[in-house]
Amino acid sequence: GAGVSQSPSNKVTEKGKDVELRCDPISGHTALYWYRQRLGQGLEFLIYFQGNSAPDKSGLPSDRFSAERTGESVSTLTIQRTQQEDSAVYLCASSGTGARGETQYFGPGTRLLVL
Amino acid sequence: SQQGEEDPQALSIQEGENATMNCSYKTSINNLQWYRQNSGRGLVHLILIRSNEREKHSGRLRVTLDTSKKSSSLLITASRAADTASYFCATDAAGAQKLVFGQGTRLTINP
Repeated sequence: GAGVSQSPSNKVTEKGKDVELRCDPISGHTALYWYRQRLGQGLEFLIYFQGNSAPDKSGLPSDRFSAERTGESVSTLTIQRTQQEDSAVYLCASSGTGARGETQYFGPGTRLLVL
Repeated sequence: SQQGEEDPQALSIQEGENATMNCSYKTSINNLQWYRQNSGRGLVHLILIRSNEREKHSGRLRVTLDTSKKSSSLLITASRAADTASYFCATDAAGAQKLVFGQGTRLTINP
């Protein structure tokens, strides 16, 4: 596609429910990143995928968070047993090769609200 | 702690004036990037400056980098109402492929 797409745009869920967020990177991009942004805050790195290498999960805040990526395509971020503190915008980005300092291209984000 | 920290946190100026935002970072970098974010959604890449560059221009944007002070500035000249957004600097973390973003500067251009 022309850019990074994410779905859903908005998600409202009840505390304790699981949610799944989807990211479609730019075609041909081997690197994919997930970030979390709380209201009025900067971006918090969650996880990074690069080709078939083991993902960098160092930013995942708890074991309730997990992410998968199939090859060099779609990625899903799953949050289990959601908590109100999980409310945030979840941003996905992709880059061509994942080289250090490479420009990242962002999707529009998924705004998650946990009631 | 954040690798990049922007200053000021918020800036409000009149249309036509210049806006200057600053970013400081802690460790050595390959490059520094500035991004713009409208309405809390996706970020748009504005400009990248490499560690061996001191100044770079793109349209009304001017970025400087001082590696000795570990700081960068973003200047937007002749601001327009449409420049209202949050601006983030991002640096490449040593030993990792991820970018580290600052907290951002919220810029408001008053017509």
